Amino acid sequence: SQQGEEDPQALSIQEGENATMNCSYKTSINNLQWYRQNSGRGLVHLILIRSNEREKHSGRLRVTLDTSKKSSSLLITASRAADTASYFCATEEGAQKLVFGQGTRLTINP
Amino acid sequence: EADIYQTPRYLVIGTGKKITLECSQTMGHDKMYWYQQDPGMELHLIHYSYGVNSTEKGDLSSESTVSRIRTEHFPLTLESARPSHTSQYLCASRGIPSYNEQFFGPGTRLTVL
Repeated sequence: SQQGEEDPQALSIQEGENATMNCSYKTSINNLQWYRQNSGRGLVHLILIRSNEREKHSGRLRVTLDTSKKSSSLLITASRAADTASYFCATEEGAQKLVFGQGTRLTINP
Repeated sequence: EADIYQTPRYLVIGTGKKITLECSQTMGHDKMYWYQQDPGMELHLIHYSYGVNSTEKGDLSSESTVSRIRTEHFPLTLESARPSHTSQYLCASRGIPSYNEQFFGPGTRLTVL
């Protein structure tokens, strides 16, 4: 069953601009995580935000969580060509399993 | 760089063949997972294990089977491959000390002709 739905499905911006991706989910969660996937590769963990947190930063990444709206956003500031990838949100309800969204394909144009 | 490995990276086989996709991790993680992912789509959990001799089916029904005889090894087997099994298969693990984070292998891209 799909928990997270991501918006937009694809995003293309110029290098140096900020990129914002959104994720909505359906049930109560313990935490929400964001992962990055380069084409044809495995996923790499970017950041985790717990259900009792509202905002978190890591380098050029900023994640927000609104549990009342069951939504999260990932902001990448000052984007670089190397940020081109697919970004997935994943929610953890319990039982230590993650449920992934469909992902946002981000393209950074030089 | 995660210490989790998958072999083969690419596999093209004919219908009806038996195949085993290998996954190994050297981090001592107790929990391991197999996901199936079609190009550009979300990941679907097909199997997981919370430790040696523990295996469970995931959210997406799969004709594959898994085993967990050793902590570091979590192979996935298809007894009789079909074209509908064509997909990318991703293995992941998690455990101490970054207990919430899943580490992924590079994936096996399977094509069944």
